[in-house]
Amino acid sequence: NAGVTQTPKFQVLKTGQSMTLQCAQDMNHEYMSWYRQDPGMGLRLIHYSVGAGITDQGEVPNGYNVSRSTTEDFPLRLLSAAPSQTSVYFCATLRGGHNEQFFGPGTRLTVL
Amino acid sequence: AQSVTQLGSHVSVSEGALVLLRCNYSSSVPPYLFWYVQYPNQGLQLLLKYTSAATLVKGINGFEAEFKKSETSFHLTKPSAHMSDAAEYFCAVSDPARYNAGNMLTFGGGTRLMVKP
Repeated sequence: NAGVTQTPKFQVLKTGQSMTLQCAQDMNHEYMSWYRQDPGMGLRLIHYSVGAGITDQGEVPNGYNVSRSTTEDFPLRLLSAAPSQTSVYFCATLRGGHNEQFFGPGTRLTVL
Repeated sequence: AQSVTQLGSHVSVSEGALVLLRCNYSSSVPPYLFWYVQYPNQGLQLLLKYTSAATLVKGINGFEAEFKKSETSFHLTKPSAHMSDAAEYFCAVSDPARYNAGNMLTFGGGTRLMVKP
């Protein structure tokens, strides 16, 4: 099993550009989430999903969109990138009824 | 609302010395508590978790943590540091009801552990 995979590993954008960060899992976990990691602030929840077709906002959702059309995939969209979105983004999954989240390797995004 | 405070953004110990990483939380309900480790350029790996069973929790790589309700603390310890323990450590808290509904974790700011030879 590949677990949780994220693409790309690195990305540089210009202000105003759009892009999609991909997250895929092969563990059939119901729950998926996106976090951003910034120095001294730990990880903050952006959006999460409790199953295909269901998403909800986390702590810092502004500027980001998500959708969950399948159990396996949970893409994160930046419609108009801003320098404040420079961060490392982690996708995570959780199996219902269990307590351990599994994290992907992260995407490092720089917005100029 | 929940919050996590990790005292000390950087901690330095000598190899073989005790490791103590501090975590205090705020929660209106009995929480779930977690410690994660992040090695350079990698994702987060679960070290250990408290989910309302035994208050002393043992994790991987010789780490353990004790849940102290009266002190709202969940400090991480290891008796003898190894060079391979150098990493960033994150404490996290969750309301069990929200966690099991998919609303995930609230993280502390992290503590970078450095191990001197």
